[in-house]
Amino acid sequence: DAKTTQPTSMDCAEGRAANLPCNHSTISGNEYVYWYRQIHSQGPQYIIHGLKNNETNEMASLIITEDRKSSTLILPHATLRDTAVYYCIVRAPRTGNQFYFGTGTSLTVIP
Amino acid sequence: GAGVSQSPRYKVAKRGQDVALRCDPISGHVSLFWYQQALGQGPEFLTYFQNEAQLDKSGLPSDRFFAERPEGSVSTLKIQRTQQEDSAVYLCASSPLNALNQPQHFGDGTRLSIL
Repeated sequence: DAKTTQPTSMDCAEGRAANLPCNHSTISGNEYVYWYRQIHSQGPQYIIHGLKNNETNEMASLIITEDRKSSTLILPHATLRDTAVYYCIVRAPRTGNQFYFGTGTSLTVIP
Repeated sequence: GAGVSQSPRYKVAKRGQDVALRCDPISGHVSLFWYQQALGQGPEFLTYFQNEAQLDKSGLPSDRFFAERPEGSVSTLKIQRTQQEDSAVYLCASSPLNALNQPQHFGDGTRLSIL
C-alpha cells in the first residue's frame, strides 16, 4: 500500500489557520491524495481530495507540492469543533482503490 | 439526505456467540465497504461489494467473518464464534462507484464488545 507519514499530534489556536502536513514520497502519477477526519465516536468524515492541482472547498484547502511527494491540509480558521484525528491517505489502483488509513494526526484546537 | 446508517450502534456479546451487524448505504450507491477500527488505530479495510458481488475480501481476518449484500443495497457483516480480539468499531462506507476520484461516505459504526 502507498505509505503516508504524518505527525502524531498538533495543536492550533482557535481562529488561526491549521496546517497539517503529510509526506507521501512513494506516490505514483495516477494516485490521489485524500483527507478524512474523525471526531470521537463518529465515522470518518470526508474533507477533500486531489491529484496534482491544489484544491479548495468549503471545509479546507489542499496544497500538493509540484513533485507530489507531500501535501498540506489547511483549515483556514480553526474552531474547537475541528478537534479531531486527521488522516492523509493515498488511494491507489494497485491496491484496488481501497483506502488504507494510518494512525493520522490528532489535532487539538486550543481556545 | 440520509447518510450511511449502521445498526446497532452498540453490541455486547459473550465470547463464542454469533453477531450480525447491519449497514444501510446511501441510496443508489453501488459500492459498499466494511472496515474494522481497533481502539487508537485507524480503520482497516475488511471487504468491498459492487452491487451484490463481493469483489474484494482480502481484509477479512478469518473465516469467522462473513459479509453479504444479497440485493445490492443493505449489507450484513456476520462474525461467528466471537472472540475477545473481535472487539472493535465496525464501520461501513458507501460510494457511487469504487473510483479513484470518488470519496467514500462513512456511517458512525457499530461498537462491538466481546466479554
